[in-house]
Amino acid sequence: QKEVEQDPGPLSVPEGAIVSLNCTYSNSAFQYFMWYRQYSRKGPELLMYTYSSGNKEDGRFTAQVDKSSKYISLFIRDSQPSDSATYLCAMRDSSASKIIFGSGTRLSIRP
Amino acid sequence: SAVISQKPSRDICQRGTSLTIQCQVDSQVTMMFWYRQQPGQSLTLIATANQGSEATYESGFVIDKFPISRPNLTFSTLTVSNMSPEDSSIYLCSGAPGTGLRETQYFGPGTRLLVL
Repeated sequence: QKEVEQDPGPLSVPEGAIVSLNCTYSNSAFQYFMWYRQYSRKGPELLMYTYSSGNKEDGRFTAQVDKSSKYISLFIRDSQPSDSATYLCAMRDSSASKIIFGSGTRLSIRP
Repeated sequence: SAVISQKPSRDICQRGTSLTIQCQVDSQVTMMFWYRQQPGQSLTLIATANQGSEATYESGFVIDKFPISRPNLTFSTLTVSNMSPEDSSIYLCSGAPGTGLRETQYFGPGTRLLVL
């Protein structure tokens, strides 16, 4: 079993829809949770990061962490064609020197 | 934020040869990392590039195959040695700023390598 599981998609939704992207994980020691966005032929860029459980909002993006269920989500409101990209979740514990990435979900927003 | 560039952006190489990838950051960063990414797959950490000392390699990666240099706080190189078709992948470098918080690492655009 992988430490971090992420549905690869592809996920296709119409413009303006609310998008929900999710990851599950097995290591209860993970405390830092990140979402990266990767456009085609580009490196990943950090979108959101949260510490422990709870919600964090930044514009149209909301990151949610449920440590009891070992489940994290990224919500995108009022989705735009420019949001079309691969979204990677990532996480680490407080002592580890490396981040564990999910395999990424490919998202396409239809105009 | 830090802007990271990589050279070359892509290359096609013959098996048995070696390729050196350069990573340049526009500001000093505490940590630099090298990753490999297969299409449609997650990023796999190859090693942490340490300034002025030997890199720290992850399980499954060895210095003889992936020698790394980091002469200063803004530059690093990764060499893929004695290449085989299995080394075809995207190689990414990343840097974390002075706080050393690895979750705020910034990535380069990647080097696409195809080994024939």
